[in-house]
Amino acid sequence: GQNIDQPTEMTATEGAIVQINCTYQTSGFNGLFWYQQHAGEAPTFLSYNVLDGLEEKGRFSSFLSRSKGYSYLLLKELQMKDSASYLCAVTRKRSNDYKLSFGAGTTVTVRA
Amino acid sequence: GAGVSQTPSNKVTEKGKYVELRCDPISGHTALYWYRQSLGQGPEFLIYFQGTGAADDSGLPNDRFFAVRPEGSVSTLKIQRTERGDSAVYLCASSFASGGGNEQFFGPGTRLTVL
Repeated sequence: GQNIDQPTEMTATEGAIVQINCTYQTSGFNGLFWYQQHAGEAPTFLSYNVLDGLEEKGRFSSFLSRSKGYSYLLLKELQMKDSASYLCAVTRKRSNDYKLSFGAGTTVTVRA
Repeated sequence: GAGVSQTPSNKVTEKGKYVELRCDPISGHTALYWYRQSLGQGPEFLIYFQGTGAADDSGLPNDRFFAVRPEGSVSTLKIQRTERGDSAVYLCASSFASGGGNEQFFGPGTRLTVL
């Protein structure tokens, strides 16, 4: 089984930085995805980490520590449009097991 | 190019009725996934197709749920004798190939309400 935890809500000011943590306990862990989901819309891909370390992509960066079962998504220079739910999801190494197992999501509210 | 499309966008039905939800994946994507998302929760896996065959249906909650993908493209999720607890957003996703690192592209979902 797997246990994926992330905070329920976070609030930050426009222009600031927010870090969303995700911890997981997953047997046969393969990699970790971050998705963004605006209210009433489909999740959209942000990042994928399979190796330890930081992956930077514009204003968004994602970090993974496999030994600690820990990831974070860093959002810089926050904009109002970044208000959304951020979903952490893991995949496993088992053959034919390619599904995403999601956390409950972190709702980020950006205030002016 | 066209993304994943799902129809209908909204479906309201009565308890005990049968419903079908359709998913059109991105052209050329061989892998197709169904998820269910309840309010305030992350998507929950239901079933995964590789081509025409269901490679993993371990997430289907019970035998009232069934899905097909007869030609390896469009998929239909079928729910018999619907219950109020089936109310959720049903999301479909597709990816170019299976494999742990392949990005899944999600459709806008079908919001199912069972009265």
